[in-house]
Order: sequence, then C-alpha cells, then structure tokens
Amino acid sequence: EPEVTQTPSHQVTQMGQEVILRCVPISNHLYFYWYRQILGQKVEFLVSFYNNEISEKSEIFDDQFSVERPDGSNFTLKIRSTKLEDSAMYFCASSISGGFYEQYFGPGTRLTVT
Amino acid sequence: AQSVTQPDIHITVSEGASLELRCNYSYGATPYLFWYVQSPGQGLQLLLKYFSGDTLVQGIKGFEAEFKRSQSSFNLRKPSVHWSDAAEYFCAVVPLNSNSGYALNFGKGTSLLVTP
Repeated sequence: EPEVTQTPSHQVTQMGQEVILRCVPISNHLYFYWYRQILGQKVEFLVSFYNNEISEKSEIFDDQFSVERPDGSNFTLKIRSTKLEDSAMYFCASSISGGFYEQYFGPGTRLTVT
Repeated sequence: AQSVTQPDIHITVSEGASLELRCNYSYGATPYLFWYVQSPGQGLQLLLKYFSGDTLVQGIKGFEAEFKRSQSSFNLRKPSVHWSDAAEYFCAVVPLNSNSGYALNFGKGTSLLVTP
C-alpha cells in the first residue's frame, strides 16, 4: 500500500540553525500538508500546498517557515532560524483531493532544538 | 469560536469491554468529520469519516461513529476493545468554509489505556 515517507526520523539542531524536513507524498496525490505536534499537545495545522503554491497557512506558519516541492516527488518544510519552541513532531500528509478526502500521514520527524 | 472538543483526556477500559470516545464541535455549519488514531511512535491513521448520509458510520478495525446534529457530536464507539487498541484518538474536522486549504482542525486527543 502506498505510504507517505518522511526523513529524517529525528533531527537535532541548535537554536538559530536552518533545518529542512523532507517528505515524499503518495505519488498520485495533489494536496500536501504539514502539521506539527508539540509534546503533550494537539496536532496543529501549519500549511497546505496545491498546484505548486500555498493554499492555506496557519498563524504558526510565519516568515521563518517555507515549503517547496522541488521536484515531482519531494515536499519540504524549511525552518530558517530555529527556536527552542520549534521542538515538536512534524507530520507531512497528502491527499488525492481536498475536503472530504482522506489525508494520509507520514510517521513524522521529531525535531529537537537545543 | 470554532472548536473541536474531546472532553476525556484519558480513558481506561478493560479488554473486551465497550468503548465510547466523545467529540463535540462548534461550527456554523456541520463540517467534514474525522476520527484518527495514533499508535505510539506512529503517524496518524484514519479510522472513519462523515459528511452526510447515514449518521452511523463504519470504519476500520471494528470502529464506528455516530453523528448527532442536535448535539454537535461525533462519538467514536467500539463494542469490544482489544489490547492493540491502546493508542491516542483524535477527532478532527475540516470546515465547509475552509479557505481552500482543507486544513484539519484536531481536538486535543483522548489517550486510551486497555487493561487485561
């Protein structure tokens, strides 16, 4: 069964450093998403991406964040200058369409900022 | 304010017992409704979803959910819980007036512990 994959599974970085989290969505999916889950808290939406542009973003997704689909398979989340509060599990998801269609989640990347 | 509420943070049930996890939402129009499960160290997996039609929805792993418009609820049920059902359960919605981004808005989750 097709699945969303994410690399790395765990990333440790120092405050102020740039990190890139990588995702490979399911191949025929058209909508891509990033969510995060701070330890002990709920899953929060960051951004959705469709047709090579951001279709929606949350208040969390400020200028420090960016997303890119550099080729036909990868979908990346970049954090330019990490803060301690960026420590979280980051989930990538994809769906074949929007609305009622299932979003398939990857296993997540645990980001630890020291 | 638009919100998704899961009143129970933790629930403990005995193996073989029935289960009900509560979810209430506060939106102007009934949103798309979902239940996801997160096993330890895993991503989120969709159990079931609802938008319209029969208010009792069947999902995977023997789960079902009932939509009650009058109560703005979408409770998850299972007649007989297995030890492997121990996990975190999230209710989530996509508002109908989503800004075309179809962002899932999650509840805080309910942690299910299954005892022998």
